[in-house]
Amino acid sequence: QKEVEQDPGPLSVPEGAIVSLNCTYSNSAFQYFMWYRQYSRKGPELLMYTYSSGNKEDGRFTAQVDKSSKYISLFIRDSQPSDSATYLCAMKSAGNNRKLIWGLGTSLAVNP
Amino acid sequence: KAGVTQTPRYLIKTRGQQVTLSCSPISGHRSVSWYQQTPGQGLQFLFEYFSETQRNKGNFPGRFSGRQFSNSRSEMNVSTLELGDSALYLCASSLAIGDGEKLFFGSGTQLSVL
Repeated sequence: QKEVEQDPGPLSVPEGAIVSLNCTYSNSAFQYFMWYRQYSRKGPELLMYTYSSGNKEDGRFTAQVDKSSKYISLFIRDSQPSDSATYLCAMKSAGNNRKLIWGLGTSLAVNP
Repeated sequence: KAGVTQTPRYLIKTRGQQVTLSCSPISGHRSVSWYQQTPGQGLQFLFEYFSETQRNKGNFPGRFSGRQFSNSRSEMNVSTLELGDSALYLCASSLAIGDGEKLFFGSGTQLSVL
């Protein structure tokens, strides 16, 4: 079993829909949780960064961390065709030598 | 501010050859990490350099090596290429290593091994 599980999709939604992307993990030591967006033929770019539990909002994007359930989510409101990309979750535990552990990514298509 | 630059963007090699990939981090960033990305395995960590020293290493064979120069630029080398080395190789830079690090990625080098 992988340390981080992420449904690869693909997920296809109409423009304006609310999108929910999720990752589950097994390592209770994870403290830092990130969502990256990757467009085709590009490297990932950091979207959201959360330490420990709780919610974080940035424009149309909301990241949630539920450490008791070992579950993180990214919500996209009023989705746009420009949101079509692969979304990767990543997480790590505390300590300078801890590596980032990545989900496989969920492919999202927002249809106009 | 210029982003992370990786060269070349595309490479085609044959089995047994070796390859060197280059990465120029964001100005002021001293940490450079390398990742291999494939559809089946996702992003897999290769190694991380900070101030010319390898600080962390992933579970890859010794054919994969890297180095960092005094200007923070980094190279990775893969010797005796195998078909399974075909992947997107990504370089990421950050200001420092540690709990708060946030990675900034280049566009990658797409390596095809024939």
